[in-house]
Amino acid sequence: QITLKESGPTLVKPTQTLTLTCTFSGFSLSTSGVGVGWIRQPPGKALEWLALIYWDDNKRYSPSLKSRLTITKDTSKNQVVLTMTNMDPVDTATYYCAHVGVGTTFAYWGQGTLVTVSS
Amino acid sequence: QTVVTQEPSLTVSPGGTVTLTCASSTGAVTSGYFPNWFQQKPGQAPRALIYSTSNKHSWTPARFSGSLLGGKAALTLSGVQPEDEAEYYCLLYYGGAAVFGGGTQLTVL
Repeated sequence: QITLKESGPTLVKPTQTLTLTCTFSGFSLSTSGVGVGWIRQPPGKALEWLALIYWDDNKRYSPSLKSRLTITKDTSKNQVVLTMTNMDPVDTATYYCAHVGVGTTFAYWGQGTLVTVSS
Repeated sequence: QTVVTQEPSLTVSPGGTVTLTCASSTGAVTSGYFPNWFQQKPGQAPRALIYSTSNKHSWTPARFSGSLLGGKAALTLSGVQPEDEAEYYCLLYYGGAAVFGGGTQLTVL
């Protein structure tokens, strides 16, 4: 059974750096073809893909946010970490992590974590 | 910047059939964009329905089907149920980067 769970601060101040952790079970990030992605959703708005990391440490970022994002993995801890720098109130959103499998994308999602950016 | 466009809203009667579409600003959508479809209900995380154009997950109801239609990715619901009322998002891949559509609010009325 694949599960994912996001964790991190619920409130950050403008200009601060956000660090979110995705802790997963039921799969390994050392398995060929497997990856984890991050997606966010501002309140009442659409989903926005942020970043992906694969088993071979290949990384992909949203072009519009690439300069602010870093995604890393700790295979031994079954965790993926996303950092986003220079946070702004427009970054207020629910942040999700999701599983990428061989031939499938985001089949399994975490419950999401709401991050509010406010002074 | 690549834009993926969906109908903002659609209404369907219970038992009816409806098709949602997903267009790319770069041109015709092909299988090489690996279209995915997700359903999201209020207060819930998205749920995956379709991957790689037309493949269903084990939990996807049979009434949902994916295809390519007129240069777009399409999601067809046949025999719509009241519980299908939700927001639907498509996702396309562009050389390793993914882009979600703006979503379609489906009302069952």
